[in-house]
Amino acid sequence: EAQVTQNPRYLITVTGKKLTVTCSQNMNHEYMSWYRQDPGLGLRQIYYSMNVEVTDKGDVPEGYKVSRKEKRNFPLILESPSPNQTSLYFCASSLSILNTEAFFGQGTRLTVV
Amino acid sequence: GIQVEQSPPDLILQEGANSTLRCNFSDSVNNLQWFHQNPWGQLINLFYIPSGTKQNGRLSATTVATERYSLLYISSSQTTDSGVYFCAVERTGNQFYFGTGTSLTVIP
Repeated sequence: EAQVTQNPRYLITVTGKKLTVTCSQNMNHEYMSWYRQDPGLGLRQIYYSMNVEVTDKGDVPEGYKVSRKEKRNFPLILESPSPNQTSLYFCASSLSILNTEAFFGQGTRLTVV
Repeated sequence: GIQVEQSPPDLILQEGANSTLRCNFSDSVNNLQWFHQNPWGQLINLFYIPSGTKQNGRLSATTVATERYSLLYISSSQTTDSGVYFCAVERTGNQFYFGTGTSLTVIP
């Protein structure tokens, strides 16, 4: 089954403790991205990647890192999480940049205390 | 970025009723998708519809790209249709811009 898989689905952590949210897709998609969803602010893009070893900042990249060492995986790294990074995170992938359908993961609900 | 406006913001329906959700966008787009966010937060793909009309069961969608709007039709609504419906558009090739959503509640 074609899918985008995020882990974990739920995470509660403490300020400053490094964490990684994994994202994997099995569709051989070139393009992957991360979004966060916050009440009143909607979904905003954090980072995106057009292919292996190619990443770029979205609208809200501060406090996040990503890597794209292989096509299927696009982890989101929070080196020193803070409470303002409490949010619902989504990973997405699509075959290419333009004119193709995007698929979203199940979401990761992160709470930083 | 592109402005994406959805209407109505909230909608309450009796089970079995029909509804139309609208998405207006401020510029030409390469891609438009409709999503349903269920109560567990998952974003479910409904339609990939940069132009034209598509149908999937009780749901259908129409995008008129030249007039910069899209419509999502829900017929014979069910309680499981409850949730938030998002329209998202892509223009530049590097990100989606989401509307603020329509929150739908279907009551039995």
